[in-house]
Amino acid sequence: DAGITQSPRHKVTETGTPVTLRCHQTENHRYMYWYRQDPGHGLRLIHYSYGVKDTDKGEVSDGYSVSRSKTEDFLLTLESATSSQTSVYFCAISESGPGRGDTQYFGPGTRLTVL
Amino acid sequence: GESVGLHLPTLSVQEGDNSIINCAYSNSASDYFIWYKQESGKGPQFIIDIRSNMDKRQGQRVTVLLNKTVKHLSLQIAATQPGDSAVYFCAESGGYNKLIFGAGTRLAVHP
Repeated sequence: DAGITQSPRHKVTETGTPVTLRCHQTENHRYMYWYRQDPGHGLRLIHYSYGVKDTDKGEVSDGYSVSRSKTEDFLLTLESATSSQTSVYFCAISESGPGRGDTQYFGPGTRLTVL
Repeated sequence: GESVGLHLPTLSVQEGDNSIINCAYSNSASDYFIWYKQESGKGPQFIIDIRSNMDKRQGQRVTVLLNKTVKHLSLQIAATQPGDSAVYFCAESGGYNKLIFGAGTRLAVHP
C-alpha cells in the first residue's frame, strides 16, 4: 500500500459522537486525499491537502473536516457522526496533483459504522 | 471484506482467456487516465496509466487503450488468472488535484 497506513481499520460508533480517522504516509508525498466508497457511488473525494496546513474541499465535504499539521499525517474528523456517514474511507497520496499526470496510491481503508 | 459494489456490471471469463474491461469517461479535456484493481477488503491498487498523447500502453499482461474520439478507455488482461478476480475501475484527471472515478466492473475468473 505504498507506505500508507490508516487507523483505526474498523470502528463502530454512535450517532452524534465525534470521530477522527488518521492517515499516515512514509513517502513524503505532498498531496493527500480522503475518499469515501459506497456501493453504487464509487470513490468520492471528501477533502484533500496540497501541503502542510493547505487543504481544500472535495465533492462530498459536508459534515467532515480535515487537518494536516505534518507532511506525513492527514486527519479526517466527523464532528458529529450520522448514519449516512457509514462507509469505507480511503486515504490516498500523490507526489503532485493528478492534473500533472501523477498517480494516486491508496491506503488499506477504514470501515466506519455509525449506529 | 465489504463488497465494493453490490450491483456492479460483471465480466465472467475462463481462466487463461483474455479479458477486456471498458470505461467511458466524461471529460474530453481530461489528459491523464489510470486503471485500478480493488480486491475485496483492500484499497485500490494502481495497475497502469496513460496520458492523452498516447493511444496504447502496455504493462505486464495488461494493455490500456485510449480512444479520445469517443472518450473510451479499455483495459486488456492477457491470460486471465484467478488472482485477477477483483473490481476494476478507471479514473480520469478531472482538473487540478482531482481524479474522477468510474463505478467499476467486477471481473470473475472461472477455472
